Amino acid sequence: NAGVTQTPKFRILKIGQSMTLQCTQDMNHNYMYWYRQDPGMGLKLIYYSVGAGITDKGEVPNGYNVSRSTTEDFPLRLELAAPSQTSVYFCASSSAPDRNEQFFGPGTRLTVL
Amino acid sequence: KQEVTQIPAALSVPEGENLVLNCSFTDSAIYNLQWFRQDPGKGLTSLLLIQSSQREQTSGRLNASLDKSSGRSTLYIAASQPGDSATYLCAAVFSGTYKYIFGTGTRLKVLA
Repeated sequence: NAGVTQTPKFRILKIGQSMTLQCTQDMNHNYMYWYRQDPGMGLKLIYYSVGAGITDKGEVPNGYNVSRSTTEDFPLRLELAAPSQTSVYFCASSSAPDRNEQFFGPGTRLTVL
Repeated sequence: KQEVTQIPAALSVPEGENLVLNCSFTDSAIYNLQWFRQDPGKGLTSLLLIQSSQREQTSGRLNASLDKSSGRSTLYIAASQPGDSATYLCAAVFSGTYKYIFGTGTRLKVLA
């Protein structure tokens, strides 16, 4: 049981490039989340999903896109990377946020130069 | 606006001291509140989940309490150790939502 896995662990992008951050969970959780964490700050919600085929915006969705074609996978797409997107990105999942814990992946450290 | 606040941002204590970390939230209508630990350069590890119907939860040397009427939760760490040094974050799920709102964390350093 791997929990929540994320790839890659590290990535350096040039301004204007695009990439996809991968997130997979093997706990059959319906709810999945993408956060970014800037130095000294808490976590800001980018997008979340309440089940396959259903996604919604969080606090800071601009510059990102998501899809949820399966229960297990929730990829985050960065289009036209900007230096402001330099951050650590965390994926998380929960079976029921109103009563159960949220579990986190190890994170992806992204630098945009 | 639904917000979660953690004060202080940083705290240093000598080893062996009992300490309390604070978490405040703006809306008393929450489903639950979760405490996490984050080591430098690592992901978040869940410590305790406390439901809105509960007053406290305990795990080893950790005890989390919840007072919805005052919009506060505290994380009590007994007999602190250098290995407890980390950033502690709290997150609330407000009623009617499926989103976790995080505080900015308290960076704890326990001095040997």
